[in-house]
Amino acid sequence: AQTVTQSQPEMSVQEAETVTLSCTYDTSESDYYLFWYKQPPSRQMILVIRQEAYKQQNATENRFSVNFQKAAKSFSLKISDSQLGDAAMYFCAYRSDSGTYKYIFGTGTRLKVLA
Amino acid sequence: NAGVTQTPKFRILKIGQSMTLQCTQDMNHNYMYWYRQDPGMGLKLIYYSVGAGITDKGEVPNGYNVSRSTTEDFPLRLELAAPSQTSVYFCASSYMERNSPLHFGNGTRLTVT
Repeated sequence: AQTVTQSQPEMSVQEAETVTLSCTYDTSESDYYLFWYKQPPSRQMILVIRQEAYKQQNATENRFSVNFQKAAKSFSLKISDSQLGDAAMYFCAYRSDSGTYKYIFGTGTRLKVLA
Repeated sequence: NAGVTQTPKFRILKIGQSMTLQCTQDMNHNYMYWYRQDPGMGLKLIYYSVGAGITDKGEVPNGYNVSRSTTEDFPLRLELAAPSQTSVYFCASSYMERNSPLHFGNGTRLTVT
């Protein structure tokens, strides 16, 4: 069974600085999809970025980018020019391409942004 | 589009009571899911559905039931509520395309005392 691990329960970053959140996963599949979700204090779950495993190019969305290392089964999220509004819980998620339709989530990393 | 709508937002139940958490989506998504979120534990899948009339168990289905009579609605039923079911519940949906992300409702905070 697939697992997703986020080893950093909490991270802090100074405003305008860069921070990287770690995510590793375990799978025997070759094709799959990875996602980062943001959960601010409002509790809403917001998609930040997604990555297809068959794509070698790392996904980027404005200030958010990923470092996808397929062989290492690593999927880290880099936030550049951190803003106060980036403070939230961040969840890494895995979706199988084998037709099970299930998304598996990590336990989350709480990001604090210091003014 | 309203997206995924969950009701209620908050609820307090006494032990042994029952209730239904409502979830509806207006995006014509085939797939729908129920997750529970406990502090420090991430999201755990309770039940999911790949279409009307089809449901399946996730990681933590005990104490819950679901039905999917229409594409839009996916209610979650709690029978005989227990303190262990105190949690935040999220309904989510997605298209059948493999890279489709989950779209979440705003969650229901349930307390069982």
